[in-house]
Amino acid sequence: AQTVTQSQPEMSVQEAETVTLSCTYDTSESDYYLFWYKQPPSRQMILVIRQEAYKQQNATENRFSVNFQKAAKSFSLKISDSQLGDAAMYFCAYRSAYTGTASKLTFGTGTRLQVTL
Amino acid sequence: DGGITQSPKYLFRKEGQNVTLSCEQNLNHDAMYWYRQDPGQGLRLIYYSQIVNDFQKGDIAEGYSVSREKKESFPLTVTSAQKNPTAFYLCASSINGDYSGANVLTFGAGSRLTVL
Repeated sequence: AQTVTQSQPEMSVQEAETVTLSCTYDTSESDYYLFWYKQPPSRQMILVIRQEAYKQQNATENRFSVNFQKAAKSFSLKISDSQLGDAAMYFCAYRSAYTGTASKLTFGTGTRLQVTL
Repeated sequence: DGGITQSPKYLFRKEGQNVTLSCEQNLNHDAMYWYRQDPGQGLRLIYYSQIVNDFQKGDIAEGYSVSREKKESFPLTVTSAQKNPTAFYLCASSINGDYSGANVLTFGAGSRLTVL
């Protein structure tokens, strides 16, 4: 079974600064997808960024980028120019790419990000 | 606007009672999912359905039941057999249930269940 570990329960960053959230995962599969989801105080999960394991290039979405290290099984999220609206719980998630697994996600325990003035 | 509607937002239940959480989507998605969220434990999959009239157990299905009679609807019943039902419940959907990379999950706003 796959597991996802987020070792930072809480992080804090000043507005306009950069912060990196860590995520490691354990799998024996070679093809999979990794995701970062954001859960703001409204509690609705929002997809931030997605990475396909067979792509070496790190995914980017505006101020959000990832550092995907497949050999190390590491998938960190970097938020640049942090904004107050970035304050939320961030979840790292894994999904197998093999048939029969549907789109079931395995989630980490989350990192709560605070953004200060 | 297309999306997922979960109701009620807050629900209180007495011990020994069954309760049903509603999840409706107008995204024309084939697959739907129920996740449970507890503090410090992330999200855990309860049940999922890839097509109408079919569903599979997730990692923590004991004490829960679902039905999928319509494509748009995937209600979750929390039965009296669920030993610790107080939690936040999230419903999600995806275009289909296959492994395509484009097949991301869209979530509802959640339902908070409290057992008194």
